[in-house]
This record gives sequence, structure tokens and C-alpha cells, in this order.
Amino acid sequence: EAGVAQSPRYKIIEKRQSVAFWCNPISGHATLYWYQQILGQGPKLLIQFQNNGVVDDSQLPKDRFSAERLKGVDSTLKIQPAKLEDSAVYLCASSLVPHSYNEQFFGPGTRLTVL
Amino acid sequence: AQSVTQPDIHITVSEGASLELRCNYSYGATPYLFWYVQSPGQGLQLLLKYFSGDTLVQGIKGFEAEFKRSQSSFNLRKPSVHWSDAAEYCCAVGASAGGSYIPTFGRGTSLIVHP
Repeated sequence: EAGVAQSPRYKIIEKRQSVAFWCNPISGHATLYWYQQILGQGPKLLIQFQNNGVVDDSQLPKDRFSAERLKGVDSTLKIQPAKLEDSAVYLCASSLVPHSYNEQFFGPGTRLTVL
Repeated sequence: AQSVTQPDIHITVSEGASLELRCNYSYGATPYLFWYVQSPGQGLQLLLKYFSGDTLVQGIKGFEAEFKRSQSSFNLRKPSVHWSDAAEYCCAVGASAGGSYIPTFGRGTSLIVHP
């Protein structure tokens, strides 16, 4: 079974530039999550999709971050414009359904460095 | 809102020694609890999970964890550590919040294994 795919793996940009990350979840998984993991901290949920609808985006900084999952499969997360404090690993995960007991399967992450 | 505390940032053990990583949670009802391992350059992998029933849970790679409601803890243990166990370990709680499910992770504990 193929896992969660993410690209790129690494990205270096300057502040005020834009960046986009891509995620392809495990086939058949309806729920997709984007997390931000700052060095020394645990993953923080940014947004959760159920198919192509947003379940929760309460922790997404909407003035600069956006995410979409148009066809209910793969997803993109965009930052525009980037700030220094956005330097982090961005993790994508998927699960069958959005329930508390469901295991999430994580991709390898995209490490973003903002200079 | 739920929260997870991993009080140890780093833990150093010798190969072959026993291991215990601490995790405390805060949640009003019975939580769903998870331990994930994160190796460099890889995504988080589920080690084990607790939903209900037997409070001692067995996981992959020889790990186990014990749910103690009275202490609000879910500590991870392994009787004999191998050098390949060196990684970041994250405890997480799955709980409902305001009608949606928001998974919450601890900041992680970095395990260092000495030969």
C-alpha cells in the first residue's frame, strides 16, 4: 500500500515570497490533515478536510495561509507571503474517517526554511 | 480543550537498558491515546494506541504503554532499547472539541541511545 506522498521535501525561500506544498493521501482515505511542526514542538493541526470540505481550520492563519482539496483527493497548502516564523516542517496526514480513534498516516513532510 | 504534556525533552539511555517515556494528558472524558515515532527524514509512524479495555497496550517494535486514568498518564515503555530506537517520540490525544475532532500532540521526546 502506497503511503502519503508529499512534495517538495525541502524548500528555502526568502520572506515575503510565496510557497506551495502538495500532498497525495493514501487511496480511499477521506480525511486529510495539514500540520505545522516548528522545531522543538509537536505537530499543530492547521486544517482538516473531509473529502473536499473543510472540517476545521480554526488554527490556520488565514491572512497568509490557504489550503484546498478540490477533488477530494490530493491537496495543496500555500503560504503567501511567508514570514520568518513560518520556518517549520509541514506534515500531511490522512485517515479513513475523521474520528478520534482513527489512526493517521503521515507523509515525510516538507521542511520549509524562510530567510 | 485537551492538551498533552511530555515533560522530558531529551532522554538518554544505554543500549540494552530499559526505557520509559512520560506522557500526561488533560481531557474531561476518556481519551483516545496514541504514541508515534518520528525518525529523521520520515513521517510519524504509529507505535500503539489505546481506546478502551485493557490498560496495558502492546505495540510494534517491542513497545508497550500503560493507561493510568488516576494519573492522567500514558507512559511508553520498552524493556531493552536498541540503537535503532533513537528517534523522536510523540504522544497524542484524540478527542472531540466543539463538535469536531482536533488531534493534539505533545512536543515530543528525543531518545538518544548510547552504545
